Amino acid sequence: TQLLEQSPQFLSIQEGENLTVYCNSSSVFSSLQWYRQEPGEGPVLLVTVVTGGEVKKLKRLTFQFGDARKDSSLHITAAQPGDTGLYLCAGQGDSNYQLIWGAGTKLIIKP
Amino acid sequence: SAVISQKPSRDICQRGTSLTIQCQVDSQVTMMFWYRQQPGQSLTLIATANQGSEATYESGFVIDKFPISRPNLTFSTLTVSNMSPEDSSIYLCSVGTVYNEQFFGPGTRLTVL
Repeated sequence: TQLLEQSPQFLSIQEGENLTVYCNSSSVFSSLQWYRQEPGEGPVLLVTVVTGGEVKKLKRLTFQFGDARKDSSLHITAAQPGDTGLYLCAGQGDSNYQLIWGAGTKLIIKP
Repeated sequence: SAVISQKPSRDICQRGTSLTIQCQVDSQVTMMFWYRQQPGQSLTLIATANQGSEATYESGFVIDKFPISRPNLTFSTLTVSNMSPEDSSIYLCSVGTVYNEQFFGPGTRLTVL
């Protein structure tokens, strides 16, 4: 059974600080996705990483896929209150249609 | 990307009753998924709904409790049957694309009294 361990589960920081969220597994994933969800809405896809060692940037968000494709990180630089939300990682598992979901990181950025 | 709408957005139901949630997509898609989510927590896949075949249920979810219809490539319904307070949750539908990137509806917040 493939599992994705996401940490931390909760993070509350001041505006302007940096933070990193991690997703780790003992299994290899063919791709890994990051989503952000705000209250009352469904998750919204931020990025998909496919190649081991791949780094993608989305404004102040930097996503990295581990060389062995077993882990990923999301780094936010100079966090803003608009970054507040639930961040979810999801890996493409053995089945060609099923995603393996991390537990989620609830992020609060205080002004 | 795909635009997905769900109805109802929220409902409060009495135990023992059933609720059908509708999911409409603005384009034809092969795979649709139904999830359950407790507020602030991760997603639990209930089932995968393919057009023209029976839905595939995940462990812990059965067709009698969560019947699903998929009459065409743009629409699906999930029914929560014989509800109990434990069924109170957010129910989300999604569609999968390349790399199984998923696009979600806004969710249906269900409260069972």
